[in-house]
Amino acid sequence: EAGVAQSPRYKIIEKRQSVAFWCNPISGHATLYWYQQILGQGPKLLIQFQNNGVVDDSQLPKDRFSAERLKGVDSTLKIQPAKLEDSAVYLCASSWVGLNTEAFFGQGTRLTVV
Amino acid sequence: AQSVSQHNHHVILSEAASLELGCNYSYGGTVNLFWYVQYPGQHLQLLLKYFSGDPLVKGIKGFEAEFIKSKFSFNLRKPSVQWSDTAEYFCAVGLVTGGFKTIFGAGTRLFVKA
Repeated sequence: EAGVAQSPRYKIIEKRQSVAFWCNPISGHATLYWYQQILGQGPKLLIQFQNNGVVDDSQLPKDRFSAERLKGVDSTLKIQPAKLEDSAVYLCASSWVGLNTEAFFGQGTRLTVV
Repeated sequence: AQSVSQHNHHVILSEAASLELGCNYSYGGTVNLFWYVQYPGQHLQLLLKYFSGDPLVKGIKGFEAEFIKSKFSFNLRKPSVQWSDTAEYFCAVGLVTGGFKTIFGAGTRLFVKA
């Protein structure tokens, strides 16, 4: 079974620039998550989709972050404009719907904002 | 607000020593409980999970965890660690609040000396 695919693996941008990350979940997984993991901290949920609908985006900084999953499969996360404090690893995960399921994670995208 | 606390940020052990990593959560409803591991340079992987039934769960590589509902705890244990267990360990709680979401602790970085 293919895992969660993310690209790019690494990205370095200057502050105020924009950046986009892509995620392709495990086939059949209706739930897709984007997490932000700052160095030394645990993953923090940014946004959760079920199919192409948003379930939870309460911790997404909506003034600069946006995410979409238009066809209910792959997803993009965008930051515009980036700030220094956005430097982190951005993790995508997917799972079957509901309780009693586990999330499967991609390798992540390491973003450095300079 | 729901949260997950991991008691130790860094643990250093010698090979063959016993390991116990603490995890407590704050949420009064039904939960799923997870321990994930992240080996250096790799993505997050599921170590073990608890959904229901026997509160003592066994995972891969000799790890086990015990769910104590009255203490809101899900501590991870291994009787004898190996150098290859050097990694970062994350406790996570899945809960239902409107939708279903997973909250992570800050992680414990384990270093095993050969």
